[in-house]
Amino acid sequence: ELKVEQNPLFLSMQEGKNYTIYCNYSTTSDRLYWYRQDPGKSLESLFVLLSNGAVKQEGRLMASLDTKARLSTLHITAAVHDLSATYFCAVDMREWNAGNMLTFGGGTRLMVKP
Amino acid sequence: DVKVTQSSRYLVKRTGEKVFLECVQDMDHENMFWYRQDPGLGLRLIYFSYDVKMKEKGDIPEGYSVSREKKERFSLILESASTNQTSMYLCASSLITIGTGKNTGELFFGEGSRLTVL
Repeated sequence: ELKVEQNPLFLSMQEGKNYTIYCNYSTTSDRLYWYRQDPGKSLESLFVLLSNGAVKQEGRLMASLDTKARLSTLHITAAVHDLSATYFCAVDMREWNAGNMLTFGGGTRLMVKP
Repeated sequence: DVKVTQSSRYLVKRTGEKVFLECVQDMDHENMFWYRQDPGLGLRLIYFSYDVKMKEKGDIPEGYSVSREKKERFSLILESASTNQTSMYLCASSLITIGTGKNTGELFFGEGSRLTVL
Protein backbone atom coordinates (compact mmCIF):
# COMPACT_ATOMS: atom_id res chain seq x y z
CA GLU A 1 0.00 0.00 0.00
CA LEU A 2 1.24 3.46 -0.84
CA LYS A 3 1.66 5.47 2.33
CA VAL A 4 2.89 8.94 3.03
CA GLU A 5 3.16 9.81 6.69
CA GLN A 6 3.83 13.21 8.14
CA ASN A 7 4.72 14.05 11.67
CA PRO A 8 3.84 15.82 13.69
CA LEU A 9 0.23 16.25 12.68
CA PHE A 10 -0.07 19.36 14.79
CA LEU A 11 2.66 21.74 15.83
CA SER A 12 2.36 24.75 18.08
CA MET A 13 5.52 26.78 18.36
CA GLN A 14 6.72 30.14 19.54
CA GLU A 15 7.91 32.81 17.19
CA GLY A 16 11.64 32.73 16.73
CA LYS A 17 12.00 29.00 17.31
CA ASN A 18 13.18 26.34 14.89
CA TYR A 19 11.46 23.10 14.08
CA THR A 20 11.34 20.30 11.52
CA ILE A 21 8.40 18.53 9.91
CA TYR A 22 9.04 15.01 8.66
CA CYS A 23 7.57 13.21 5.68
CA ASN A 24 8.12 9.46 5.30
CA TYR A 25 6.93 7.43 2.36
CA SER A 26 6.60 3.73 1.74
CA THR A 27 8.07 3.03 -1.67
CA THR A 28 10.68 4.20 -4.10
CA SER A 29 10.32 7.69 -5.50
CA ASP A 30 12.56 10.58 -6.40
CA ARG A 31 9.85 13.21 -6.80
CA LEU A 32 8.48 14.91 -3.73
CA TYR A 33 6.43 18.08 -3.32
CA TRP A 34 5.60 20.37 -0.45
CA TYR A 35 2.41 22.43 -0.38
CA ARG A 36 0.99 25.02 1.96
CA GLN A 37 -2.71 25.48 2.69
CA ASP A 38 -4.19 28.44 4.56
CA PRO A 39 -7.58 27.99 6.25
CA GLY A 40 -10.39 27.97 3.72
CA LYS A 41 -7.94 28.22 0.84
CA SER A 42 -6.52 25.84 -1.70
CA LEU A 43 -3.04 24.36 -1.84
CA GLU A 44 -0.09 26.46 -2.87
CA SER A 45 3.10 24.87 -4.14
CA LEU A 46 6.17 25.51 -1.98
CA PHE A 47 8.92 23.17 -3.11
CA VAL A 48 9.57 20.56 -5.76
CA LEU A 49 12.33 18.06 -4.97
CA LEU A 50 13.33 15.89 -7.90
CA SER A 51 16.43 13.97 -6.86
CA ASN A 52 18.22 12.42 -3.92
CA GLY A 53 19.95 15.07 -1.87
CA ALA A 54 17.87 17.90 -3.31
CA VAL A 55 17.62 20.92 -1.05
CA LYS A 56 15.44 23.96 -1.67
CA GLN A 57 15.11 27.09 0.44
CA GLU A 58 12.64 29.94 0.42
CA GLY A 59 12.79 32.47 3.22
CA ARG A 60 12.49 30.69 6.56
CA LEU A 61 11.62 27.32 5.03
CA MET A 62 14.05 24.72 3.76
CA ALA A 63 13.12 21.35 2.29
CA SER A 64 15.34 18.36 1.64
CA LEU A 65 14.97 14.90 0.18
CA ASP A 66 16.72 11.64 1.05
CA THR A 67 15.39 9.03 -1.36
CA LYS A 68 17.37 6.19 0.21
CA ALA A 69 15.76 6.81 3.57
CA ARG A 70 12.43 7.66 1.87
CA LEU A 71 12.34 10.82 3.92
CA SER A 72 11.84 14.49 3.31
CA THR A 73 12.12 17.25 5.88
CA LEU A 74 10.71 20.75 5.98
CA HIS A 75 12.76 22.86 8.34
CA ILE A 76 11.42 26.08 9.80
CA THR A 77 13.94 28.64 10.96
CA ALA A 78 13.01 31.45 13.37
CA ALA A 79 9.30 30.96 12.88
CA VAL A 80 6.98 33.92 12.39
CA HIS A 81 3.20 34.09 12.70
CA ASP A 82 2.74 34.30 8.91
CA LEU A 83 3.98 30.74 8.60
CA SER A 84 0.88 29.44 10.40
CA ALA A 85 -0.82 27.09 7.94
CA THR A 86 -1.18 23.42 7.12
CA TYR A 87 1.74 21.88 5.24
CA PHE A 88 1.40 18.82 3.06
CA CYS A 89 4.01 16.65 1.46
CA ALA A 90 3.12 14.63 -1.62
CA VAL A 91 5.03 11.87 -3.33
CA ASP A 92 4.89 10.63 -6.90
CA MET A 93 4.98 6.90 -6.28
CA ARG A 94 2.93 5.31 -8.97
CA GLU A 95 3.90 4.24 -12.43
CA TRP A 96 1.52 5.74 -14.86
CA ASN A 97 1.98 6.29 -18.55
CA ALA A 98 1.43 9.98 -18.51
CA GLY A 99 3.34 10.65 -15.34
CA ASN A 100 2.73 12.05 -11.94
CA MET A 101 0.04 10.80 -9.63
CA LEU A 102 0.65 12.17 -6.20
CA THR A 103 -0.09 10.57 -2.87
CA PHE A 104 -0.46 13.12 -0.10
CA GLY A 105 0.49 12.95 3.53
CA GLY A 106 -2.09 13.80 6.16
CA GLY A 107 -0.79 17.32 6.66
CA THR A 108 0.90 19.15 9.52
CA ARG A 109 -1.04 21.99 11.02
CA LEU A 110 1.42 24.61 12.19
CA MET A 111 0.49 27.37 14.61
CA VAL A 112 3.10 29.99 15.42
CA LYS A 113 2.36 31.95 18.54
CA PRO A 114 3.69 35.45 19.26
CA ASP B 1 0.32 32.21 -13.91
CA VAL B 2 -1.55 28.94 -14.09
CA LYS B 3 -5.17 29.38 -13.22
CA VAL B 4 -7.45 26.55 -12.18
CA THR B 5 -11.01 27.69 -11.65
CA GLN B 6 -13.71 25.74 -9.89
CA SER B 7 -17.18 26.93 -10.69
CA SER B 8 -18.76 26.75 -7.26
CA ARG B 9 -17.06 27.55 -3.97
CA TYR B 10 -19.97 26.43 -1.81
CA LEU B 11 -22.85 24.09 -2.57
CA VAL B 12 -25.64 22.64 -0.48
CA LYS B 13 -27.49 19.67 -1.94
CA ARG B 14 -29.97 17.12 -0.76
CA THR B 15 -29.46 13.37 -0.56
CA GLY B 16 -30.16 11.74 -3.90
CA GLU B 17 -29.57 14.84 -6.00
CA LYS B 18 -27.21 14.77 -8.97
CA VAL B 19 -24.30 17.13 -8.46
CA PHE B 20 -21.89 18.57 -11.02
CA LEU B 21 -18.60 20.14 -10.02
CA GLU B 22 -16.83 21.95 -12.82
CA CYS B 23 -13.15 22.72 -13.18
CA VAL B 24 -11.41 24.73 -15.91
CA GLN B 25 -7.68 25.32 -16.38
CA ASP B 26 -6.15 27.86 -18.73
CA MET B 27 -2.63 26.53 -19.24
CA ASP B 28 -3.15 23.73 -21.72
CA HIS B 29 -2.27 21.06 -19.15
CA GLU B 30 -2.74 17.47 -20.20
CA ASN B 31 -3.42 16.08 -16.73
CA MET B 32 -6.35 16.95 -14.54
CA PHE B 33 -7.32 15.56 -11.15
CA TRP B 34 -10.13 15.54 -8.64
CA TYR B 35 -9.30 15.13 -4.94
CA ARG B 36 -11.44 15.27 -1.87
CA GLN B 37 -10.12 16.62 1.39
CA ASP B 38 -11.46 15.57 4.76
CA PRO B 39 -10.16 16.39 8.25
CA GLY B 40 -7.69 13.77 9.42
CA LEU B 41 -7.65 12.01 6.05
CA GLY B 42 -5.68 14.46 3.96
CA LEU B 43 -6.24 14.55 0.23
CA ARG B 44 -7.50 11.46 -1.55
CA LEU B 45 -7.57 11.04 -5.30
CA ILE B 46 -10.97 10.35 -6.80
CA TYR B 47 -10.32 10.38 -10.55
CA PHE B 48 -7.80 11.75 -12.97
CA SER B 49 -7.55 12.31 -16.68
CA TYR B 50 -4.49 12.50 -18.90
CA ASP B 51 -6.23 13.44 -22.12
CA VAL B 52 -9.58 14.37 -23.57
CA LYS B 53 -12.11 11.60 -23.03
CA MET B 54 -9.56 9.59 -21.04
CA LYS B 55 -10.08 8.88 -17.37
CA GLU B 56 -8.63 6.66 -14.71
CA LYS B 57 -9.90 5.76 -11.26
CA GLY B 58 -8.01 7.03 -8.28
CA ASP B 59 -8.15 5.68 -4.75
CA ILE B 60 -11.80 6.40 -3.94
CA PRO B 61 -13.89 6.46 -7.16
CA GLU B 62 -17.02 4.84 -5.74
CA GLY B 63 -20.04 7.10 -6.03
CA TYR B 64 -18.36 9.43 -8.51
CA SER B 65 -17.91 9.74 -12.24
CA VAL B 66 -16.06 12.25 -14.40
CA SER B 67 -16.22 13.80 -17.81
CA ARG B 68 -13.51 15.39 -19.93
CA GLU B 69 -14.92 16.48 -23.25
CA LYS B 70 -12.47 19.34 -23.72
CA LYS B 71 -8.85 19.59 -22.68
CA GLU B 72 -9.40 22.55 -20.39
CA ARG B 73 -12.45 21.23 -18.57
CA PHE B 74 -12.81 18.33 -16.12
CA SER B 75 -16.13 17.67 -14.42
CA LEU B 76 -16.85 15.60 -11.34
CA ILE B 77 -20.31 14.09 -11.11
CA LEU B 78 -22.06 12.70 -8.09
CA GLU B 79 -24.87 10.65 -9.57
CA SER B 80 -26.83 10.43 -6.34
CA ALA B 81 -25.34 12.50 -3.57
CA SER B 82 -25.08 11.02 -0.11
CA THR B 83 -24.23 12.59 3.22
CA ASN B 84 -20.85 10.86 3.33
CA GLN B 85 -19.88 12.85 0.24
CA THR B 86 -19.97 16.07 2.23
CA SER B 87 -16.42 17.30 1.76
CA MET B 88 -14.06 19.81 0.21
CA TYR B 89 -13.38 18.93 -3.42
CA LEU B 90 -10.16 20.11 -5.03
CA CYS B 91 -9.39 20.13 -8.72
CA ALA B 92 -5.80 20.21 -9.95
CA SER B 93 -3.93 20.15 -13.22
CA SER B 94 -0.38 19.49 -14.37
CA LEU B 95 1.74 19.11 -17.45
CA ILE B 96 2.62 15.66 -18.67
CA THR B 97 5.99 14.55 -17.34
CA ILE B 98 7.02 11.27 -18.87
CA GLY B 99 9.34 11.64 -21.83
CA THR B 100 9.51 15.40 -21.76
CA GLY B 101 12.12 16.20 -19.14
CA LYS B 102 10.77 19.70 -19.30
CA ASN B 103 8.56 20.03 -16.30
CA THR B 104 8.37 19.12 -12.66
CA GLY B 105 5.08 17.28 -12.35
CA GLU B 106 3.88 19.96 -9.99
CA LEU B 107 0.13 20.12 -9.41
CA PHE B 108 -1.72 23.42 -9.56
CA PHE B 109 -4.88 23.52 -7.51
CA GLY B 110 -8.16 25.37 -7.78
CA GLU B 111 -9.73 27.15 -4.83
CA GLY B 112 -11.89 24.20 -3.88
CA SER B 113 -15.61 23.48 -3.76
CA ARG B 114 -17.12 22.84 -0.37
CA LEU B 115 -20.09 20.52 -0.77
CA THR B 116 -22.63 19.85 1.95
CA VAL B 117 -25.14 17.07 1.40
CA LEU B 118 -28.16 17.19 3.70
